[in-house]
Amino acid sequence: GAVVSQHPSWVICKSGTSVKIECRSLDFQATTMFWYRQFPKQSLMLMATSNEGSKATYEQGVEKDKFLINHASLTLSTLTVTSAHPEDSSFYICSASLRRDRGYFGPGTRLTVT
Amino acid sequence: DAKTTQPPSMDCAEGRAANLPCNHSTISGNEYVYWYRQIHSQGPQYIIHGLKNNETNEMASLIITEDRKSSTLILPHATLRDTAVYYCIVLETDSWGKFQFGAGTQVVVTP
Repeated sequence: GAVVSQHPSWVICKSGTSVKIECRSLDFQATTMFWYRQFPKQSLMLMATSNEGSKATYEQGVEKDKFLINHASLTLSTLTVTSAHPEDSSFYICSASLRRDRGYFGPGTRLTVT
Repeated sequence: DAKTTQPPSMDCAEGRAANLPCNHSTISGNEYVYWYRQIHSQGPQYIIHGLKNNETNEMASLIITEDRKSSTLILPHATLRDTAVYYCIVLETDSWGKFQFGAGTQVVVTP
């Protein structure tokens, strides 16, 4: 089956620094990937759509300058949280579609900002 | 606005069938019903999806009412590893892969 990986699994960074999260489709090419955020005891919230070779599309209320998305190849999308603050601490999850009828989700990245 | 309504929680005995309801009364003709589940601190896992016909795979069965306003996910023989949050999601064909998650149903399978 299709596998999506994320790196790192968890990361701790200091307030004010930036952190990059990678999302890879391991055995298929994905022209479109999606980024979600999940706070404790809450549901997943769609942040943005990552399109290979073009700019990402952000959901309403998501700061595009704070959450930089780069979809540089058909197997890799990155999310950079710039100038991170404790309120950015969350579980970040990406997904990619192999076929048009389903999405495959990565295992998630736990970000803690101290 | 949420397109689906699910009970917040359900308990199920191990070995018994778990029937998870979902209401999607405003579903339109080009929208599919998807079910995913999320085990604690993991990414969501695809279970099944359908348009208007009932569907079955190795994990579960999906029963969609004739008017498509509600559906039921059936886990035929629940195990402890089925304990998870189950999400019912309505997805239109123009938005492949772009899932909007609701609150889901927390299912706890007990021995």
